[in-house]
Amino acid sequence: GESVGLHLPTLSVQEGDNSIINCAYSNSASDYFIWYKQESGKGPQFIIDIRSNMDKRQGQRVTVLLNKTVKHLSLQIAATQPGDSAVYFCAERTGGSYIPTFGRGTSLIVHP
Amino acid sequence: GAVVSQHPSRVICKSGTSVKIECRSLDFQATTMFWYRQFPKQSLMLMATSNEGSKATYEQGVEKDKFLINHASLTLSTLTVTSAHPEDSSFYICSAGLAGGGKNIQYFGAGTRLSVL
Repeated sequence: GESVGLHLPTLSVQEGDNSIINCAYSNSASDYFIWYKQESGKGPQFIIDIRSNMDKRQGQRVTVLLNKTVKHLSLQIAATQPGDSAVYFCAERTGGSYIPTFGRGTSLIVHP
Repeated sequence: GAVVSQHPSRVICKSGTSVKIECRSLDFQATTMFWYRQFPKQSLMLMATSNEGSKATYEQGVEKDKFLINHASLTLSTLTVTSAHPEDSSFYICSAGLAGGGKNIQYFGAGTRLSVL
């Protein structure tokens, strides 16, 4: 069946560096994508989203890029801080459904 | 953003007892809430969709008699793990959907760590 997956299960960066977390999806019908951040022992926290009619969206220190041609999604975090250490999940949805399909998750470790 | 409160954050119980977990949307009404289960270092697995005023919709493989869901109001859904056993130990997370701006976004509770002895 179709699924959402992540290329890198663990990403280690130095404080101040930029981080890029990648996600591949296979459902060509997906039209809405979300990045969540989950800190240890907590629930996922919404970070940023993007519709399929866009290829880039920026937030505070974060940018999401969508390449529909190769079905690829990425989350860029500028000037990564220790507080950014967490597991990041991409999720995709189809139509107006509330229910996202979560990817496997990437653990981001930021070294001071 | 919207706030979803989940309680308790952690519970330890003996095998055979039942445990109730509450999920509340604090500043918005949610006709639909969702319950997830998460094993260590794994992604979230949807267990069921909780609908206010009607029966919950369970995902394939989830025992509805084992995981009782009640959505009695627009701001409260509860998950009861009945006759809990050690294999039920897990991290349970609820979420509530909020529609706006043409999008439906799920906001998650902080999760409940269940440990069954």
